[in-house]
Amino acid sequence: EVQLVESGGGLVQPGRSLKLSCAASGFTFSDYNMAWVRQAPTKDLEWVASISYGGSHTHYGDSVKGRFTISRDNVKSTLYLQMDSLRSEDTATYYCTRHIHNNWYFDFWGPGTMVTVSS
Amino acid sequence: ETTVTQSPASLSMAVGEKVSISCKTSTDIDDDMNWYQQKSGEAPNLLISEGNTLRPGVPSRVSSSGYGSDFVFTINNVLLGDEGIYYCQQSNNVPLTFGSGTKLEIK
Repeated sequence: EVQLVESGGGLVQPGRSLKLSCAASGFTFSDYNMAWVRQAPTKDLEWVASISYGGSHTHYGDSVKGRFTISRDNVKSTLYLQMDSLRSEDTATYYCTRHIHNNWYFDFWGPGTMVTVSS
Repeated sequence: ETTVTQSPASLSMAVGEKVSISCKTSTDIDDDMNWYQQKSGEAPNLLISEGNTLRPGVPSRVSSSGYGSDFVFTINNVLLGDEGIYYCQQSNNVPLTFGSGTKLEIK
């Protein structure tokens, strides 16, 4: 059974950093491109970043470019999102997701981890 | 960037009725449109992927159509279990973008 389990969310002050993790199981993690998608309290969905199966190629949404870094450890089957210079508008539930092959949709989602940026 | 305009924002339907949701894109995306359902308290779930392809386990009363910039998602014979928020997402180009969602209530 495919499982994606996020962790690392919480309350953080503006300007500070936070690192999210996503533990994957039930499939060969190193064969899949992966991504982070977030959902604001308004329920709007926003793609945050994607990374290729080997980790050599990354893509970012404009609102996080230069502040967030997506990475992965294929030995540990874990996806990461390093979030720096956090802003109040980064407050959201962050979902770890999987891309199918070389397609850009999200075929499986974790349950999400909540990040609140507030002083 | 491809903007995705989804309508309506909400629907209230009776069991057995037909639901139609529209998504229009600001650029031509071929048939690279995907549809998700999100039930209360859960993560989104992929229902239909590129090329109007129904995902395994999704009932055949769910379908979609469209090509280019105009897309429609349909549920025939809607059931209580279809309540939730439905989102479209274009996968043709980066940045990947979503519609604003349609909240479906079953009366």
